Amino acid sequence: DTAVSQTPKYLVTQMGNDKSIKCEQNLGHDTMYWYKQDSKKFLKIMFSYNNKELIINETVPNRFSPKSPDKAHLNLHINSLELGDSAVYFCASSPQPANHNTGELFFGEGSRLTVL
Amino acid sequence: DAKTTQPPSMDCAEGRAANLPCNHSTISGNEYVYWYRQIHSQGPQYIIHGLKNNETNEMASLIITEDRKSSTLILPHATLRDTAVYYCIARRGNQFYFGTGTSLTVIP
Repeated sequence: DTAVSQTPKYLVTQMGNDKSIKCEQNLGHDTMYWYKQDSKKFLKIMFSYNNKELIINETVPNRFSPKSPDKAHLNLHINSLELGDSAVYFCASSPQPANHNTGELFFGEGSRLTVL
Repeated sequence: DAKTTQPPSMDCAEGRAANLPCNHSTISGNEYVYWYRQIHSQGPQYIIHGLKNNETNEMASLIITEDRKSSTLILPHATLRDTAVYYCIARRGNQFYFGTGTSLTVIP
């Protein structure tokens, strides 16, 4: 069983469309994240949820809206897609509650979004 | 939050030790140093982490300087499968900030 799974793995869409990426973890972790990796391979944190509560919201446009229906799922919805949104989006989870400094991040395989 | 700086690329001969440096001169006392690697088209994979003491596990060793301003990840016997981008991260709480990493190429 995949610990952190994301769908879809590849997504090609037109500018202006709305799309969602889903993430599920079966590790029983309390904390989940979304990261964006751009063409230069720089991994940047976008959001973090702890037990369904938003705890980190970096300077991400309002077009990006995370939703956590339960602590095992963290979905990412993107409205009005732009060319600059093309990237690989990684979901991750961690067993630590907020403000702890130890414990690993477990990453999914990534979702490659291409906006045409 | 501390930023980390790493050389953009390095080569290492297969079977030799790979020593990957990281500078984190602004790290604060409660920020851990983490290392992850990313093999092409996969999600980042945890390697090791530490606060002050040197650490070793089955994958690698982590050497942290006494002033904590820099660290070195050591892969003792590099194999071709160790070719990847290696990220040094300073972590505080739930915030893991990745830099641009070092692209390590292991040469046969």
